Amino acid sequence: GIQVEQSPPDLILQEGANSTLRCNFSDSVNNLQWFHQNPWGQLINLFYIPSGTKQNGRLSATTVATERYSLLYISSSQTTDSGVYFCAVNTGNQFYFGTGTSLTVIP
Amino acid sequence: GAGVSQSPRYKVAKRGQDVALRCDPISGHVSLFWYQQALGQGPEFLTYFQNEAQLDKSGLPSDRFFAERPEGSVSTLKIQRTQQEDSAVYLCASSLLAGGGELFFGEGSRLTVL
Repeated sequence: GIQVEQSPPDLILQEGANSTLRCNFSDSVNNLQWFHQNPWGQLINLFYIPSGTKQNGRLSATTVATERYSLLYISSSQTTDSGVYFCAVNTGNQFYFGTGTSLTVIP
Repeated sequence: GAGVSQSPRYKVAKRGQDVALRCDPISGHVSLFWYQQALGQGPEFLTYFQNEAQLDKSGLPSDRFFAERPEGSVSTLKIQRTQQEDSAVYLCASSLLAGGGELFFGEGSRLTVL
């Protein structure tokens, strides 16, 4: 199956700082999504972004499908941003997940 | 419904017991996926339904795992003769489109096998 790599694996930020999370994938994909897994384990949709750029408040994402990567930008981070961020790519009938970036925002 | 609903949220089973996990997808969603998430890992694909048809079950780890979606809406994941290595969070997701589209997850069912 397709390989999905996320970096960095762990990230600690001071509240208010900005960060960029990266997702690389090994083959052409139909779709790409970014999720935030909260401390209770729920996967929250952030972006459905097979290509291009989207913004939602302090978060934005860019996918360059031809170069097989996507970036998630978090600006002015808050403690509530803590958790694990996953990207997932779709090819055929499956969605493949990366191993995630664990983000801790400290006050 | 408004979102994907899973039950039970927590299940403790003794080794060897059978368990059944239920998923109620978003109304009208064609695709339904089951994933298994071990502690500290990303979700791993188990199986995929398009309406009532199970089109892909390549991720089911053994023949003790069985899933069904008989009427194309609610799905049940059954694990027979549970083992300790089955302890994980089982996540259900649905999407409007066949085989893709935006995926929406339930809160998961956390299974602990003693």
